[in-house]
Amino acid sequence: EDKVVQSPLSLVVHEGDTVTLNCSYEVTNFRSLLWYKQEKKAPTFLFMLTSSGIEKKSGRLSSILDKKELFSILNITATQTGDSAIYICAVFQGGSEKLVFGKGTKLTVNP
Amino acid sequence: NAGVTQTPKFQVLKTGQSMTLQCAQDMNHEYMSWYRQDPGMGLRLIHYSVGAGITDQGEVPNGYNVSRSTTEDFPLRLLSAAPSQTSVYFCASRESGNPTDTQYFGPGTRLTVL
Repeated sequence: EDKVVQSPLSLVVHEGDTVTLNCSYEVTNFRSLLWYKQEKKAPTFLFMLTSSGIEKKSGRLSSILDKKELFSILNITATQTGDSAIYICAVFQGGSEKLVFGKGTKLTVNP
Repeated sequence: NAGVTQTPKFQVLKTGQSMTLQCAQDMNHEYMSWYRQDPGMGLRLIHYSVGAGITDQGEVPNGYNVSRSTTEDFPLRLLSAAPSQTSVYFCASRESGNPTDTQYFGPGTRLTVL
């Protein structure tokens, strides 16, 4: 069965901390991996990763993919209260052309 | 572009009632999908469409129907609402089946079935 597993499921940190969110996957015919941020409404796109070892970076957020070990990490440095959200990992599956979603990691950043 | 729009934002139904959740996109995207999101379950695919006139079942299709008569619109119909269908529903679209295409989500519809 295809699955995407995120860890931890929830995390509470203080402003200024650095966090690492994990996403492992077992998906047949992997094509790409996506990270989303969901605050109160719909998920918004953060990154798409297709190649191993190439870091994607946007401000304080960065992500990398390891296709050999079948995982990705999302790093957030110098966290701010505005980073509080659910971070969702999804894998695009070729053939079915569908996204397989993880359950998300709920990040809470306290002042 | 308005992106992906959904109506209504909130809806309360009684068990057995039927209704249609509307979804539209103005980006000329071929792929459209419906998801439901429940606490602790993540996003689960209900139905999806790879183009006008083509639909297929996702992970949790029972109790829902879809149609895709135009590229822009992808309504989701609940035939006879049940309390188990209480959830937040998201419509999404992407340009094609290319794995490098970004998927865009609508703002969601919060449905409560009493």
